[in-house]
Amino acid sequence: AQSVTQPDIHITVSEGASLELRCNYSYGATPYLFWYVQSPGQGLQLLLKYFSGDTLVQGIKGFEAEFKRSQSSFNLRKPSVHWSDAAEYFCAVGRDQGGKLIFGQGTELSVKP
Amino acid sequence: DSGVTQTPKHLITATGQRVTLRCSPRSGDLSVYWYQQSLDQGLQFLIQYYNGEERAKGNILERFSAQQFPDLHSELNLSSLELGDSALYFCASSVGASGGATETQYFGPGTRLLVL
Repeated sequence: AQSVTQPDIHITVSEGASLELRCNYSYGATPYLFWYVQSPGQGLQLLLKYFSGDTLVQGIKGFEAEFKRSQSSFNLRKPSVHWSDAAEYFCAVGRDQGGKLIFGQGTELSVKP
Repeated sequence: DSGVTQTPKHLITATGQRVTLRCSPRSGDLSVYWYQQSLDQGLQFLIQYYNGEERAKGNILERFSAQQFPDLHSELNLSSLELGDSALYFCASSVGASGGATETQYFGPGTRLLVL
């Protein structure tokens, strides 16, 4: 069965520091991978997605993610975190049959001044 | 703003009651998806409708039902409510039917349901 694991429930980084949020997936075929961000009281906003092609994907707000098939990972990165990046981040995998997205448990990011 | 609207934003009700959550997709989107976000289960896919027809089903309880109307808005009906149904319910939409694959799902702000 497909699954997504985000090993870190909560991460705290200092403003201006780099960030990496981990995501591992389990899926038998070509994965379709997404990162969403949820700010307090808000819905989910798409940061970036990977369908095929270049394994380094650029997203909005300065985020990028790298697809590594050998490690079944799709880690999210940002070189310099801003206080406004504090939110919960969800990794998700989609299937090529049906519209279902399978989400990880989320990583809550706190940013220290 | 994703263009997906959900009403109401908040809903407080009692156990045993029935509620209806409403979702309007982005203009031009034919698919609507419902998700439940709870502390213990995380974000779970419930059901997808595409152009009025049920397309995919997830972990949706028999007490829950949904439909998509000719104007493409969707309603999620939750009946015989239990304390454990308290959650944030999201609606998402996409252009076509394969929103879990090569399409992007755009999420609404959610409806927060509290069952007392």
